[in-house]
Amino acid sequence: AQRVTQPEKLLSVFKGAPVELKCNYSYSGSPELFWYVQYSRQRLQLLLRHISRESIKGFTADLNKGETSFHLKKPFAQEEDSAMYYCALSGVSGSRLTFGEGTQLTVNP
Amino acid sequence: NAGVTQTPKFQVLKTGQSMTLQCAQDMNHEYMSWYRQDPGMGLRLIHYSVGAGITDQGEVPNGYNVSRSTTEDFPLRLLSAAPSQTSVYFCASSRTHTGSVEAFFGQGTRLTVV
Repeated sequence: AQRVTQPEKLLSVFKGAPVELKCNYSYSGSPELFWYVQYSRQRLQLLLRHISRESIKGFTADLNKGETSFHLKKPFAQEEDSAMYYCALSGVSGSRLTFGEGTQLTVNP
Repeated sequence: NAGVTQTPKFQVLKTGQSMTLQCAQDMNHEYMSWYRQDPGMGLRLIHYSVGAGITDQGEVPNGYNVSRSTTEDFPLRLLSAAPSQTSVYFCASSRTHTGSVEAFFGQGTRLTVV
């Protein structure tokens, strides 16, 4: 079985502060990990995936297989980062996309 | 650039009524799925399809039915609505169901069952 856990339902930081959204997973094979974001009144969209090893809107995420984690980080949060963030997992060989519970990030001015 | 289109955006049903949530994609995607989004529970998979004529159950399939007669369309049917089905429903599609592929989502349908 595959499972994704986001321990923080709500996260509030001030503009310019670093932010880290935690994601832990359980999966017996090789996972594909993603972060999706949902801005207010917009549809869910892909933010980044671990295989790309890219930085999107200043966010990065590193897959740590030892700790089974895929935390999302940004060194300096901006107000426009306020949104709901979902960590998601699927298997390399094909399996359903499983989402975590989501973390609502609020960046205060 | 339609992408994934869901209709309706809002719906109120009485307990026991049935209805169909529509989902269409114009990207020739192989894989389509339905999720429900509930506070504190994230998105949970209801049903999915890996191609026309092929469907399978997800995590929370009870009370829902799907079919996939064409590549483009993947309707979700509520057979007899219950208050527990009050939720926001999202349809998603992706090019395939393997590998690190991006899922594209519809705008959602907010359903209230009274």
